[in-house]
Amino acid sequence: DIQLTQSPSFLSASVGDRVTITCRASQGISSYLAWYQQKPGKAPKLLIYAASTLQSGVPSRFSGSGSGTEFTLTISSLQPEDFATYYCQQLNSYPLYTFGQGTKLEIK
Amino acid sequence: EVQLVESGGGLVQPGGSLRLSCAASGFTFSSYWMSWVRQAPGKGLEWVANIKQDGSEKYYVDSVKGRFTISRDNAKNSLYLQMNSLRAEDTAVYYCARESPATASAFDYWGQGTLVTVSS
Repeated sequence: DIQLTQSPSFLSASVGDRVTITCRASQGISSYLAWYQQKPGKAPKLLIYAASTLQSGVPSRFSGSGSGTEFTLTISSLQPEDFATYYCQQLNSYPLYTFGQGTKLEIK
Repeated sequence: EVQLVESGGGLVQPGGSLRLSCAASGFTFSSYWMSWVRQAPGKGLEWVANIKQDGSEKYYVDSVKGRFTISRDNAKNSLYLQMNSLRAEDTAVYYCARESPATASAFDYWGQGTLVTVSS
């Protein structure tokens, strides 16, 4: 089974900061990786798929990169509405999927 | 507008059964793989099961194999999850989600979730 490890698990940052979240896969997954944002009490929202493609309607301050085993989600300038938990998901082992453990982004 | 609405959650005793439903609208339901994803209280997301467009293929996470059954009724635009032999560790919010070829099978739409609590 492919395992995903996100780092850090918790991140404290300020409005306007640039932040990066890393997702490492236990084996190569090409570019079959997605990123989601989840706010408390809400369903997850797709941000990025195929490692670097921005989902329609998602602000351009979000970007994704990477391939193989290491991936990053970057928010170029944090906005108040970006404080949430972020998850990566591998789709390489389609149709079986796994998620990372999550990264909680909090206001400093 | 794409909508996914789950129902059927509730309190059930260990060893009991529950059937979740997900009503889909705003898209051609029969054209998409569909998944169930769960989230235990305060924990992360866990993919549970999915089903092919015509129901001919079904896949499960190891922890629910033999206990949960995913199914769909394309005539009713509905997805189901039959959960048997429930355990305390199955307590979670259960989401249905659409897998889209347009997003390389990433889950582009999610329901609001339904809470399942397994407790005596």
